[in-house]
Amino acid sequence: GAGVSQSPRYKVAKRGQDVALRCDPISGHVSLFWYQQALGQGPEFLTYFQNEAQLDKSGLPSDRFFAERPEGSVSTLKIQRTQQEDSAVYLCASSLGLGAETQYFGPGTRLLVL
Amino acid sequence: AQSVTQLDSQVPVFEEAPVELRCNYSSSVSVYLFWYVQYPNQGLQLLLKYLSGSTLVKGINGFEAEFNKSQTSFHLRKPSVHISDTAEYFCAVDMKTSYDKVIFGPGTSLSVIP
Repeated sequence: GAGVSQSPRYKVAKRGQDVALRCDPISGHVSLFWYQQALGQGPEFLTYFQNEAQLDKSGLPSDRFFAERPEGSVSTLKIQRTQQEDSAVYLCASSLGLGAETQYFGPGTRLLVL
Repeated sequence: AQSVTQLDSQVPVFEEAPVELRCNYSSSVSVYLFWYVQYPNQGLQLLLKYLSGSTLVKGINGFEAEFNKSQTSFHLRKPSVHISDTAEYFCAVDMKTSYDKVIFGPGTSLSVIP
């Protein structure tokens, strides 16, 4: 079985541009997480989905960030009107959702806002 | 609030020497503990985890970690490192919420010197 995949792997955006980052979790995984990893830092939680329901979005840094998972599988993280401080690696992870679970991470999307 | 501290941001070590990467956490409730490894341009991969039971946990690639409740520590060790162990290592705490929200430490960069 394939692991978690993310696309694009690299994205360069001009300040003010909207971007959309895609995550394909492992098939059958109920839980899906988005993290933001700044250079030299650990991943920071952004949001959590259980199937299609977004149960926690407390980590989203501003209302310019929006995430969805409409059919409980693929998820998209959208950033509107990008700013330079949005430059980071965006990681997606999924798990079975049974508790005390290992999270399986994708390779990340490296976003650079100029 | 829960937090994770990794005191050493960079650890250089010679090949075949032992290594210890330190992790301390703060939490008012019991937690699950994890170590993840991130190789260059790859996603995070689970090394090992502590849920309960024996405080000495063995993981992949010859790594082990010991949970010390009184010192709130979860240090990672390997008796003899290899060049291929060069990577970023992240300690993480699962706060045992309904969906396993995880807090990551800032990471330790391990460089193995031939």
